[in-house]
Amino acid sequence: GQNIDQPTEMTATEGAIVQINCTYQTSGFNGLFWYQQHAGEAPTFLSYNVLDGLEEKGRFSSFLSRSKGYSYLLLKELQMKDSASYLCALLMNYGGSQGNLIFGKGTKLSVKP
Amino acid sequence: KAGVTQTPRYLIKTRGQQVTLSCSPISGHRSVSWYQQTPGQGLQFLFEYFSETQRNKGNFPGRFSGRQFSNSRSEMNVSTLELGDSALYLCASKELAGGDEQFFGPGTRLTVL
Repeated sequence: GQNIDQPTEMTATEGAIVQINCTYQTSGFNGLFWYQQHAGEAPTFLSYNVLDGLEEKGRFSSFLSRSKGYSYLLLKELQMKDSASYLCALLMNYGGSQGNLIFGKGTKLSVKP
Repeated sequence: KAGVTQTPRYLIKTRGQQVTLSCSPISGHRSVSWYQQTPGQGLQFLFEYFSETQRNKGNFPGRFSGRQFSNSRSEMNVSTLELGDSALYLCASKELAGGDEQFFGPGTRLTVL
């Protein structure tokens, strides 16, 4: 099976940097997604890591280490609109789950002025 | 291209009733997946359809079923509703069954009284 763990909640200050961690145990996945979800809305794509290392996209960066079973999402220059839940998800590549996303429970980030 | 659409957006039912939710994927996308999202369990995979065939199924009772039509539109049905079925039901589409990024619809908020 897959266990995906993320902190439940985090708080940060506007303009600061925050790192949201995601750890997992799984027997096989193609890549790892990060999604942002504002309250009452659908998840929207932020990043996708296939290989180990850092992927940078503007204010958001995501890192993956397969050997350590670990990923993080880094948000820089935080803005109030970044207050949302951040979901880590694995794209499975084995058996009947191939091609499906398995999600962590999400981290609710609150950005304070 | 228009995004993923879901109807209805909000629904209130009583225990024991049944409900059908609809999802229209992005034009050209042949894979549709359904997820249930609750505060306690997060986003959980229900099933995936591709070319009118169910590819995968999550750990949900047989009361949850779905189908896909030749135009790739999909419906999910929940029979004998229980209070615990109250949730946000999201569908997501992607081009291929083994494809990467899924695009989510806005969801249907189901409340069971």
